[in-house]
Amino acid sequence: GIQVEQSPPDLILQEGANSTLRCNFSDSVNNLQWFHQNPWGQLINLFYIPSGTKQNGRLSATTVATERYSLLYISSSQTTDSGVYFCAVEPRKTSYDKVIFGPGTSLSVIP
Amino acid sequence: EAQVTQNPRYLITVTGKKLTVTCSQNMNHEYMSWYRQDPGLGLRQIYYSMNVEVTDKGDVPEGYKVSRKEKRNFPLILESPSPNQTSLYFCASSLWARETQYFGPGTRLLVL
Repeated sequence: GIQVEQSPPDLILQEGANSTLRCNFSDSVNNLQWFHQNPWGQLINLFYIPSGTKQNGRLSATTVATERYSLLYISSSQTTDSGVYFCAVEPRKTSYDKVIFGPGTSLSVIP
Repeated sequence: EAQVTQNPRYLITVTGKKLTVTCSQNMNHEYMSWYRQDPGLGLRQIYYSMNVEVTDKGDVPEGYKVSRKEKRNFPLILESPSPNQTSLYFCASSLWARETQYFGPGTRLLVL
């Protein structure tokens, strides 16, 4: 089945710094989503981005489906950005709408 | 307020005692899904439902049952829980498949 990898696995940032998180997938996908899991365990959707670029405040995401990767940019990081960031894909080569999550990037933003 | 709710939020039970975790959404979403999250294994899909009366297996369906008798509810049933089902469970919904998913707050289950 499809493999989803995320890098880096862990990241520590000083408040105010910028960062780029990467999601690679091994096969074609119908869609890709980015989620943030905060330290209290809540999962929040950030972007639904099967292709192209989207921006929402300090966050933006780009998916290059033909090259099988997506990037999540966090600018001017804040302590509230801490948590785990997941990408999730829906493989194209399945006859049903299954969702596969990557292992996540754990981000800590320190004051 | 648009939301996905789960109950209970925390549950301790014993091996073999049937339990149900409820999930409800008020957004008129067609697609609903259950995931479990385990350290080192990440989030894995258990079951999903494209719409009422239509359900299908995800990656880890063994030991679980679901039903979708009405659009807003998608309960997860553990007929005979075992310790390896100790986990954090999330329900999610989206307007259709292949759309942004909205997650419930999670249910932390401990099976002794």
